[in-house]
Amino acid sequence: EAEVAQSPRYKITEKSQAVAFWCDPISGHATLYWYRQILGQGPELLVQFQDESVVDDSQLPKDRFSAERLKGVDSTLKIQPAELGDSAMYLCASSLGEGSETQYFGPGTRLLVL
Amino acid sequence: DQQVKQNSPSLSVQEGRISILNCDYTNSMFDYFLWYKKYPAEGPTFLISISSIKDKNEDGRFTVFLNKSAKHLSLHIVPSQPGDSAVYFCAASAGGGSQGNLIFGKGTKLSVKP
Repeated sequence: EAEVAQSPRYKITEKSQAVAFWCDPISGHATLYWYRQILGQGPELLVQFQDESVVDDSQLPKDRFSAERLKGVDSTLKIQPAELGDSAMYLCASSLGEGSETQYFGPGTRLLVL
Repeated sequence: DQQVKQNSPSLSVQEGRISILNCDYTNSMFDYFLWYKKYPAEGPTFLISISSIKDKNEDGRFTVFLNKSAKHLSLHIVPSQPGDSAVYFCAASAGGGSQGNLIFGKGTKLSVKP
């Protein structure tokens, strides 16, 4: 069964350091999403790609976060510099990209900033 | 203001009985609703969805009911099994494109006791 791949699964870093997360969506899925989930809350969208283009990055803290999907397949989310409040689960999801539809999530990257 | 609300943070049910998880929403533009199941340190797993043109969708032990006039949906699990113990998230989206991102509730932790 096709799955969304993410790496690393866990990341511990010190504040002010740079971190990067990688996501490989399900093959053929045009839409890719990055979500952040804080403990006790539901996931919240950070950025949405349609192929290689950003569709929605209104909730992305652009002073420190960046995301790219250069070839419209896999994607990287970067934080620089990391802050204590960035500790959370970072989730990648993908969908076919044809309107309201099911999104499939990867296992996530749990980030701890010390 | 939360657009998707899960007002019960937790629910405890005996094995073999019915589990009913509830979700309310405020945005009348939502046209697609999903339930996800999440274990600790893992990404959300898609369970079942329903389009706003339907009022019921069933998949094995899982049934989702949608009451558009009340802006309410519920997930029924019958019979409940200990392996169903997890956090359940209700999510909604509106029309695809830049509105296709999912808005999640805060989740309900289900405990199924043997």
